[in-house]
Amino acid sequence: EPEVTQTPSHQVTQMGQEVILRCVPISNHLYFYWYRQILGQKVEFLVSFYNNEISEKSEIFDDQFSVERPDGSNFTLKIRSTKLEDSAMYFCASTRGQANYEQYFGPGTRLTVT
Amino acid sequence: GDSVTQMEGPVTLSEEAFLTINCTYTATGYPSLFWYVQYPGEGLQLLLKATKADDKGSNKGFEATYRKETTSFHLEKGSVQVSDSAVYFCAFTNQAGTALIFGKGTTLSVSS
Repeated sequence: EPEVTQTPSHQVTQMGQEVILRCVPISNHLYFYWYRQILGQKVEFLVSFYNNEISEKSEIFDDQFSVERPDGSNFTLKIRSTKLEDSAMYFCASTRGQANYEQYFGPGTRLTVT
Repeated sequence: GDSVTQMEGPVTLSEEAFLTINCTYTATGYPSLFWYVQYPGEGLQLLLKATKADDKGSNKGFEATYRKETTSFHLEKGSVQVSDSAVYFCAFTNQAGTALIFGKGTTLSVSS
């Protein structure tokens, strides 16, 4: 069964450094998402991406964040200058359509900023 | 704003016990409702969904009914198994249908 994959599973970085989290969505899916979960808190929507552009973003997704689909298979989340409060589990998801369609999630990348 | 409230965990049950995990939501319009499950070391998986009022979603013995009048979507299972131990997330789509709004998750631990 096709699945969403994410790399790395765990990333440790120093405050102020740039990180890129990588995701490979399911191949025939058209919509892509990033969510994050700070330890002990709820899963929060960051951004959705369709047709090579951002379709929606939350207030969390500020100028420090960017997304890209560089080669038609990968979907990346870049954090330009990490802060301690960026430490969280980051989930990528993809879906064929919106609203009633199931979003398929990857296993997540745990980002630790020290 | 849009939000989901789930009962606090952890929930600890013996095998074959009855499970209820409460979920209520605050949303604009009539969103689709979902329960996702996360097993240890894995991503979020869709457990069940309901797309309109009074719909009942069901899967693997779990059920939840979309109650518009009480804005609730409580998860139930008649007889839990050790393999059901996981974190359960209630969620709904935002009005544009572009994002999922999640609750905090409820950890279920089932012992034999």
